[in-house]
Amino acid sequence: DGGITQSPKYLFRKEGQNVTLSCEQNLNHDAMYWYRQDPGQGLRLIYYSQIVNDFQKGDIAEGYSVSREKKESFPLTVTSAQKNPTAFYLCASSLSRGRAQYFGPGTRLLVL
Amino acid sequence: AQSVTQLGSHVSVSEGALVLLRCNYSSSVPPYLFWYVQYPNQGLQLLLKYTTGATLVKGINGFEAEFKKSETSFHLTKPSAHMSDAAEYFCAVSSGGSNYKLTFGKGTLLTVNP
Repeated sequence: DGGITQSPKYLFRKEGQNVTLSCEQNLNHDAMYWYRQDPGQGLRLIYYSQIVNDFQKGDIAEGYSVSREKKESFPLTVTSAQKNPTAFYLCASSLSRGRAQYFGPGTRLLVL
Repeated sequence: AQSVTQLGSHVSVSEGALVLLRCNYSSSVPPYLFWYVQYPNQGLQLLLKYTTGATLVKGINGFEAEFKKSETSFHLTKPSAHMSDAAEYFCAVSSGGSNYKLTFGKGTLLTVNP
């Protein structure tokens, strides 16, 4: 089955720690995206990538980093610089930019 | 710049009643429009999309939406609500072309009462 997988489902971060969220897709999509979802705020774009080895900042990139070494994979690192990381993180992909995006099941990040 | 406004953060209907979720957008160029549904602790699922062509778009689970350019609206409807429709719904707009960005509304939580 084609789709997007995210792992882990839940992630706990200690203060000062960097954590990495995994996102993998087998849809052969060129573009991939990371969103942050907070209650009542909808989705906010963190980073996006249109092709391998290229990515762009979204609206709230501070405290986050990404890489795109393979077409199928777009991991997100939440760094210690992100002071309020508790949120639901969603990865998405699309065939090309501006088209319908398809979402993974999400990772919930909690701070210990 | 593009934006999306979803009127009503919470809509409550009775089972079997009409569902109407409102979405208005702003875009400087012809938009692509989308509706997504999200169940608790899950990702977003695409319900339907409008890109070009017929302005009445049919989606999954009996939902449909109509693109009205003069009203800059893309309201989501379903003739008869089912308990399983209870979820959060998001409207999104993309200006298409070279614009990568999908801008989401803040969502409408639909409650279905027995």
